Amino acid sequence: GAVVSQHPSWVICKSGTSVKIECRSLDFQATTMFWYRQFPKQSLMLMATSNEGSKATYEQGVEKDKFLINHASLTLSTLTVTSAHPEDSSFYICSASVRLVVFGEQFFGPGTRLTVL
Amino acid sequence: AQKITQTQPGMFVQEKEAVTLDCTYDTSDQSYGLFWYKQPSSGEMIFLIYQGSYDEQNATEGRYSLNFQKARKSANLVISASQLGDSAMYFCAMRSNSGYSTLTFGKGTMLLVSP
Repeated sequence: GAVVSQHPSWVICKSGTSVKIECRSLDFQATTMFWYRQFPKQSLMLMATSNEGSKATYEQGVEKDKFLINHASLTLSTLTVTSAHPEDSSFYICSASVRLVVFGEQFFGPGTRLTVL
Repeated sequence: AQKITQTQPGMFVQEKEAVTLDCTYDTSDQSYGLFWYKQPSSGEMIFLIYQGSYDEQNATEGRYSLNFQKARKSANLVISASQLGDSAMYFCAMRSNSGYSTLTFGKGTMLLVSP
């Protein structure tokens, strides 16, 4: 089956630093990658959609200058949380999709748990 | 706009019993897909089952079946013969098939399976 990896799986950083999270599709080429944020005991909230080679589309209320997304290839997307603050602590999940798949199934990565001190 | 409603914050079931997790949706689209995902405490999102809006038969995948009632806009997940490993958060989601849209998730239902 389609496998999506994320790195790191967890990260602890100091307030004010930047953190980069990688999302890779290991055995398929993903035309689109999605980034979600999930707070404890809540649902997944879509942050942005990125297509390879083009700028990401951010959801309303998500600061694009704070959450930098780069989708440089069909197998790699990165999310950089710039100048992280404690309120950015969350579980970040990426997913990857192949446009031509019949029902556009999204394959999810295992998530990255970010804690900002 | 699409909306998914899961009214059960938590459900308890005994091992080997069947359980139904409710999901209703709202959309003006004619063609759409409905998904169920399982999220154990580890956090990974595990795809369980898919139902297309034009599928005439209810989807089934092993112990999972989706009770699709289009007129009532409901897509309940039925888990037969519950196992301890089924304890997890369950999310219902939908996606419009017009153009290329994103998944809309419900708030989830926490299922606890007891011995």
